[in-house]
Amino acid sequence: QKEVEQDPGPLSVPEGAIVSLNCTYSNSAFQYFMWYRQYSRKGPELLMYTYSSGNKEDGRFTAQVDKSSKYISLFIRDSQPSDSATYLCAMSGLNFNKFYFGSGTKLNVKP
Amino acid sequence: DAGVTQSPTHLIKTRGQHVTLRCSPISGHKSVSWYQQVLGQGPQFIFQYYEKEERGRGNFPDRFSARQFPNYSSELNVNALLLGDSALYLCASSFSPDSNQPQHFGDGTRLSIL
Repeated sequence: QKEVEQDPGPLSVPEGAIVSLNCTYSNSAFQYFMWYRQYSRKGPELLMYTYSSGNKEDGRFTAQVDKSSKYISLFIRDSQPSDSATYLCAMSGLNFNKFYFGSGTKLNVKP
Repeated sequence: DAGVTQSPTHLIKTRGQHVTLRCSPISGHKSVSWYQQVLGQGPQFIFQYYEKEERGRGNFPDRFSARQFPNYSSELNVNALLLGDSALYLCASSFSPDSNQPQHFGDGTRLSIL
């Protein structure tokens, strides 16, 4: 079993839709949770960074962490064609110096 | 300010050769990590360096090695290349190796093995 599981998609939505992206994990020691966006032929770009459980909002993006269920989510409101990319979740523990990534979900927002 | 810069952007090698990939971190960042991203997968951790010392190593063979220089730039070396080494190699930098420091990535070096 992988430490981090993420549905690869692809996920196709119309412009303006609310997008929900999710990851599950197995290691209860994970404390830091991140979402990265990766455009084709580019490196991952940090979108959201949260610690422990709870919600964090930044513009059209909201990250949620439920440590009791080992489940994290990223919501994108009013999705735009420019949001079309692969979204990667990543996480690390208090004493870990490396990040564990999901396999990425490919999102396509249609005009 | 410049982000993480990596060179070269693309590289084609044949089996058995060796390769050196280079990374310059964001100014002020002292920790550099290397990741391998195979097509359709998430990045896999290879190494982390801080203050020229190795702070972590992923599950990669000894053919993979790295080092960090006094200016905090870093090199990743891979010997005896195999077809399976074809991937995007990503460098990430952060202020320190602590887990509470988010990592910022470069655009990677795309390595193709023929």
